[in-house]
Amino acid sequence: DAGVTQSPTHLIKTRGQQVTLRCSPKSGHDTVSWYQQALGQGPQFIFQYYEEEERQRGNFPDRFSGHQFPNYSSELNVNALLLGDSALYLCASSRMGEGITQETQYFGPGTRLLVL
Amino acid sequence: GDSVTQMEGPVTLSEEAFLTINCTYTATGYPSLFWYVQYPGEGLQLLLKATKADDKGSNKGFEATYRKETTSFHLEKGSVQVSDSAVYFCALLLQGGKLIFGQGTELSVKP
Repeated sequence: DAGVTQSPTHLIKTRGQQVTLRCSPKSGHDTVSWYQQALGQGPQFIFQYYEEEERQRGNFPDRFSGHQFPNYSSELNVNALLLGDSALYLCASSRMGEGITQETQYFGPGTRLLVL
Repeated sequence: GDSVTQMEGPVTLSEEAFLTINCTYTATGYPSLFWYVQYPGEGLQLLLKATKADDKGSNKGFEATYRKETTSFHLEKGSVQVSDSAVYFCALLLQGGKLIFGQGTELSVKP
């Protein structure tokens, strides 16, 4: 049973560029959440997708956007990159329980983005 | 607002020593609580969880008990190994699916 997978593993971009990161959830999971982890810090919630819609969003600017596909995989897009966007971007998948209850989130290995 | 506070690291222990990493939280309602572990250069791995008051989560010799009266979820292990060296994150899951993490506690175990 494959776990959560992310691509690419590493990425180097320059300021002002755009980047797309990809995530495939664990088998049987239908919900994808994205987190940003700066060096030496805990992960910060960016947003969550379920049924191809953004359900909840953290305190991130509109430069951060996402998408979920019918097969539950997801993309994170960041426009107009800033030096401060350099971080490890983590994808987590989970299964939506009855009602709107959430089940445990399982994380992928992350994509390390460096903005020069 | 909702938050998680962990004891600051780094924590350095000798092999077979007893480990405690303190975690306290502030949240409305009744969140689920988690400990995740991150090895160098890797993503987060779920270590254990507890979904309601007085629940004890356990895995690989690690334990944590959900204490609502003290809003705590301290991580313990009776005898640490060198392979336990990693960064440990305490987290709470809010209704709606947002995980809130502490700042992480780095553990270094020396042989």
